[in-house]
Amino acid sequence: QVQLEESGGGVVQPGRSLRLSCAASGFTFSSYGMHWVRQAPGKGLECVAVIWYDGSNKYYADSVKGRFTIFRDNSKNTLYLQMDSLRAEDTAVYYCARDKGATVSYFDYWGQGTLVTVSS
Amino acid sequence: EIVLTQSPATLSLSPGERATLSCRASQSVSSYLAWYQQKPGQAPRLLIYDASNRATGIPARFSGSGSGTDFTLAISSLEPEDFAVYYCQQRSNWPPITFGQGTRLDIK
Repeated sequence: QVQLEESGGGVVQPGRSLRLSCAASGFTFSSYGMHWVRQAPGKGLECVAVIWYDGSNKYYADSVKGRFTIFRDNSKNTLYLQMDSLRAEDTAVYYCARDKGATVSYFDYWGQGTLVTVSS
Repeated sequence: EIVLTQSPATLSLSPGERATLSCRASQSVSSYLAWYQQKPGQAPRLLIYDASNRATGIPARFSGSGSGTDFTLAISSLEPEDFAVYYCQQRSNWPPITFGQGTRLDIK
């Protein structure tokens, strides 16, 4: 069965960096687009980054553009989110989610999420 | 950016009743709209995609309809496990992919 497991969250000071990982199993990872979606405490959902199945295209929300980098290693079935220059408003649960297709459509499987807290 | 507005913000109903949730887009998204269910402490779950197609394993009591700017998620007869927050999401005009702000379905 499809499984997505995030790791790497924690408490970090403003301005510092953090890298999230998402280990995928149960499907052909290299055939699907992947996303990072975050949810601030008590708030709604925000798609912050997307990467196509082969890594050839990447898109970012304006709120993280220039600070976050999404990338993938298809040989390791792993998705990453490098988060630099973190701000208090980046505090959220970060989910990795599989796209229903190879590029961008809907999110058909989600991980359990990893909490990132940006605080001094 | 396409803005999705969900209504009502909160809906209070009893088990067995029919629920109707609305999602309105600021411009046409054709049929490129999905619905998700999220329970406390859990990740969202895909219910409906392309406006009216049920995702794998979703019970038949969930149905989606609409096109263009107005969409509806209906739950024909509420089960206790259906009380949750529901989000709509569009993929017609991206980036960015956008979500609605959510509708909370509470037990009356």
